[in-house]
Amino acid sequence: NAGVTQTPKFQVLKTGQSMTLQCAQDMNHEYMSWYRQDPGMGLRLIHYSVGAGITDQGEVPNGYNVSRSTTEDFPLRLLSAAPSQTSVYFCASSYSPGQGVEQYFGPGTRLTVT
Amino acid sequence: GQSLEQPSEVTAVEGAIVQINCTYQTSGFYGLSWYQQHDGGAPTFLSYNALDGLEETGRFSSFLSRSDSYGYLLLQELQMKDSASYFCAVRDRRSGGYQKVTFGIGTKLQVIP
Repeated sequence: NAGVTQTPKFQVLKTGQSMTLQCAQDMNHEYMSWYRQDPGMGLRLIHYSVGAGITDQGEVPNGYNVSRSTTEDFPLRLLSAAPSQTSVYFCASSYSPGQGVEQYFGPGTRLTVT
Repeated sequence: GQSLEQPSEVTAVEGAIVQINCTYQTSGFYGLSWYQQHDGGAPTFLSYNALDGLEETGRFSSFLSRSDSYGYLLLQELQMKDSASYFCAVRDRRSGGYQKVTFGIGTKLQVIP
């Protein structure tokens, strides 16, 4: 199993550009989420999904869109990049939110917006 | 809303024991998790407590008191490789019915010789 994969690993965008961060998992997990990590801020939840076709907002959803058309994939779209979105983005998955046990994290995408 | 508090930095000596505390405020609480993250890496799961008491996994133990909204991670026989950031995280229920996880800001542990 590859676990949780994210692409790209690094990305530089100009203000106003849009892009999609890819996330995929091969563990048949129902629960997937996106976090951003900034120095001194810990991990903040952007959006999450409890299954294909079901998504909900986290703490910091503004400027981001998600969709979940399959169990495996959960892409994060930046609509119009801003310097405030410079961050490290982690995708995570777990078997079920009801398990409440273990989230598996991808390696992260380091995004810089100039 | 939810909030978690943990110390920002802790320094401990190799071979010693260190305790990292976490207090939380939340509604619909399900459980408290701990994650480890080395610099430049991804968070990795360490432990989860849903009930009061101590859970032990090798050198690491985690404790929860639901009545005090408090937990801690205990690391014994510290090794240099334990230098990392440690995050507590609560799983709770949102008003819409879905569960979600909220992380603390993390405690940076430095192990010194």
